[in-house]
Parts: sequence; structure tokens; C-alpha cells
Amino acid sequence: NAGVTQTPKFQVLKTGQSMTLQCAQDMNHEYMSWYRQDPGMGLRLIHYSVGAGITDQGEVPNGYNVSRSTTEDFPLRLLSAAPSQTSVYFCASSSSKLRSGSSTNEQFFGPGTRLTVL
Amino acid sequence: GQQVMQIPQYQHVQEGEDFTTYCNSSTTLSNIQWYKQRPGGHPVFLIQLVKSGEVKKQKRLTFQFGEAKKNSSLHITATQTTDVGTYFCAGPRTGGFKTIFGAGTRLFVKA
Repeated sequence: NAGVTQTPKFQVLKTGQSMTLQCAQDMNHEYMSWYRQDPGMGLRLIHYSVGAGITDQGEVPNGYNVSRSTTEDFPLRLLSAAPSQTSVYFCASSSSKLRSGSSTNEQFFGPGTRLTVL
Repeated sequence: GQQVMQIPQYQHVQEGEDFTTYCNSSTTLSNIQWYKQRPGGHPVFLIQLVKSGEVKKQKRLTFQFGEAKKNSSLHITATQTTDVGTYFCAGPRTGGFKTIFGAGTRLFVKA
């Protein structure tokens, strides 16, 4: 199993450009999520999905769109890149839906995409 | 809103010294997870604690969940250079389907 894969590893954009960060998992996990990581701020949830066709917003959704047409793929779209979106982006998946009563809330993270917006 | 605080933000230790990071939640958590992220890497799940007062060990790492289920700690005995990285605690957000992470404690180990 490849686990969670992300492409690209690095990306430089100009302000106003759009792009899609790709994420795929081969563990048949229903739950997938996108986080951004900024120095001193830990991981902040952007969007998440509890299954194909179902997505919802996290803590910092503005400027990002997601869709979940298959169980395997969960792409993140930046609509009009801004310097404030310079960050490291991680995709994660889980076999649970991260509810309070879940037996395990383990998330498997991809290797990340380092994005710079000039 | 719901918050998870971690202290210290970073710590430098000499190899062989012990290390502890503390996690405090503004709300009662049904469970708590710990992750480790090596420099330049991605977070990797270490453990989940569920029960009040629970203590779990993984070799030199000891994890505790507080009696009130609002705080947790990770203690590393006799640190090694392989322990370097950032340690995050995380728990379920009120309302479900979301995880809230602490800001992390970055550990530096000097050989």
C-alpha cells in the first residue's frame, strides 16, 4: 500500500493564480481531510470529507474548495492564490470519522505540499 | 472557542536527559492522540488515550491522560537524537468529524 500520496511536493505560485493540490489514499478510508501547517500554529483543518460526495468546512476554509467524487481522491483547489496561503499542506485519511466514540481516531498523513505564493 | 494548548513551545536537551511536553484542553476530551513529526516530515500517529487517568508506555515514551480528561502529557526518558522533532497532541472537536491539534512542542537533542 502506498498510503496517502500528495502531489506536487513543492509549488510556487504568483498571486491570483489557481491550482489544485492532489491527494489520494489506497486504504479505502472514508474520512479524508486537508490541513495547513504554519510555524507556531500547529495543524489547522481546512476542509474534510466523511465519504464520497460529502464535504464540509473546517477552521480555515476561505479561499479553498474541495470535492470528493471517489473514496480514493480528495483534491484541494486554491481559487485565487494569496501570499497568506503560503504554507505546508497535508492531506490525511482515517478509517474512523473522528467522532468522540470512535475506537481509534488515528489519521494517516501524506508527505505534504510546500506552497509559496509570491 | 475550543482550544488545545501545548507547553513548552520548544525545548533543548542534552542527549540522555528526560523531556516532558504538556497538553491542556479548554474542554473535556473523550480521547486524545499524540503525533510525532520529524523535521521536514509529516505527522505520524503515536498513540490514543481514552480512559480517565490512563497511562500507556511505548519503550522510553510514557503517555498520561488526566483524571478530568482535560490534560495530557508525554514524557521521554533518556532522550536520544532520534527523538528530535515536533510532538503534537490532538483531540476531537465538539460536534464531531473534526480534530483540533495543539501547536506542538519542538524537541532539540544535542549529542
